[in-house]
Amino acid sequence: EAGVAQSPRYKIIEKRQSVAFWCNPISGHATLYWYQQILGQGPKLLIQFQNNGVVDDSQLPKDRFSAERLKGVDSTLKIQPAKLEDSAVYLCASSLNSAETQYFGPGTRLLVL
Amino acid sequence: KQEVTQIPAALSVPEGENLVLNCSFTDSAIYNLQWFRQDPGKGLTSLLLIQSSQREQTSGRLNASLDKSSGRSTLYIAASQPGDSATYLCAVNSGYSTLTFGKGTMLLVSP
Repeated sequence: EAGVAQSPRYKIIEKRQSVAFWCNPISGHATLYWYQQILGQGPKLLIQFQNNGVVDDSQLPKDRFSAERLKGVDSTLKIQPAKLEDSAVYLCASSLNSAETQYFGPGTRLLVL
Repeated sequence: KQEVTQIPAALSVPEGENLVLNCSFTDSAIYNLQWFRQDPGKGLTSLLLIQSSQREQTSGRLNASLDKSSGRSTLYIAASQPGDSATYLCAVNSGYSTLTFGKGTMLLVSP
C-alpha cells in the first residue's frame, strides 16, 4: 500500500513570495490533515478535511494561508505572502476516518529567507 | 486548552538498556493517546495508540501505559538498540481527532 505522498520535499523562497505544497493521501482515506512543525516543536494542526469539507481550521492563519481539497482526494496548501516565521516542515497526514490512526507523509521542508 | 509536556527533552543511553519516556497532559478528558517516532528528515510513524478506556498497549519491545486521571503516559523501551535512535512524540486526541503534540524526546542509543 502506498503511503502519503508530498511534494516538493524542500523549498527555499524569499519573504513575501508565495509557495504551494501538494499532498496525495492514502487511497480511500476520507480525512486529511495539514500540520506545521517548527524546529524543536511538535506538529501543530493547521487544517483538517473530511472528504472535501473543512472540519477544523481554527489554527490556520487565514490572512496568508489557504488550503483546498478538491474532489476529496489530493490537497494543496498555499502561503501568500510568506514570512520568515513560516520556515518549518509542513506535514500532511491522512486517516480512514477521524477516529482512526493518522498516517504521515515525509513532509515539505520550507525555508523563508 | 490541552497542553502536552514530554520529559526528558533528550536522552542518551548505551545499547541494551531499558528506558522510559514520559508524557503528561493537562486535560484528562481525552479520547486516546498516541506515541509516534520521527526520524531526521522524515515524517511520523505511529508506534502505539491507547484508547482512553485502556491502561496499556504493547508492540514488540515497546510498552505504553496510560493513567488518564493523573494525566500521564509512559513509553517503555526494552533492550534498546541503535536503530531506536529517533525523536519520540506523544500526542493526545481530545476530540474530533485533533491531535495535540508534545515537543518530543530525542533518543540516542549508542553501540
